[in-house]
Amino acid sequence: KAGVTQTPRYLIKTRGQQVTLSCSPISGHRSVSWYQQTPGQGLQFLFEYFSETQRNKGNFPGRFSGRQFSNSRSEMNVSTLELGDSALYLCASSLDEDQPQHFGDGTRLSIL
Amino acid sequence: QQQVKQSPQSLIVQKGGISIINCAYENTAFDYFPWYQQFPGKGPALLIAIRPDVSEKKEGRFTISFNKSAKQFSLHIMDSQPGDSATYFCAASSLGRYIPTFGRGTSLIVHP
Repeated sequence: KAGVTQTPRYLIKTRGQQVTLSCSPISGHRSVSWYQQTPGQGLQFLFEYFSETQRNKGNFPGRFSGRQFSNSRSEMNVSTLELGDSALYLCASSLDEDQPQHFGDGTRLSIL
Repeated sequence: QQQVKQSPQSLIVQKGGISIINCAYENTAFDYFPWYQQFPGKGPALLIAIRPDVSEKKEGRFTISFNKSAKQFSLHIMDSQPGDSATYFCAASSLGRYIPTFGRGTSLIVHP
C-alpha cells in the first residue's frame, strides 16, 4: 500500500510569491491534515480536511489555505510568502479523525 | 501556550543503554498519547501510542509509561541501538478531536 505522497519535495520561492503544495493520502484515507515544522516552533497544526470540508483549523494567518478534492487529495496554498514561512510542510492522512495519522516526507519550502 | 512539554531536548546514550524521554501535558481532556519517530529527510512515523486506561504499553524494545494523576508520560527505549538515532516527538489529543498537540522533540543519538 503506497504511503502519503507529497510533491514537490523541495521548493524555492521569493518573498511575495505564492506557492501550492500537493498531498496524496493513503488510499481509503479521508482525513488529511497539514503541519508546519520549523526548528524553533516544532510541529504546528495548520488545518484538517475531511470529505472536502475543512473540519479543524490551527492558529495561522489567512495567507495559509487549503482544499481537498473528491478523491481525498489535498492542496495547501500560501500567498504573499514571507521569510518566516521557510519550513518543512508535512501532510498526514488517516481513515478518520480518531484514527492514527500517517505522515508524508514533506515539502521543504525555502523563501529567499 | 505549549500544552505538551517534552524533555530532554537532546539525549546521548551508549549502545545497549536505556533511553528515556519525558512529556507532561496540561489539558485533562487529552486521552490519546502517541509517540512519533522522525529520521532526517523523512516525515514522523507513529511508533507507539497509549490511552489513559492503562499505565503501561510495551511494543518490542519500546515502552510507554503513563501517569494520569501527574499528567505525565514517558517513552523508554530498552537496549538502545545506533539505528534508533532519530528525533522523537510525543503528542496528545482528545477523542473526537484527534488533531494532536506535539512536544518540541528530543534528538536521540545512540553511540555504537
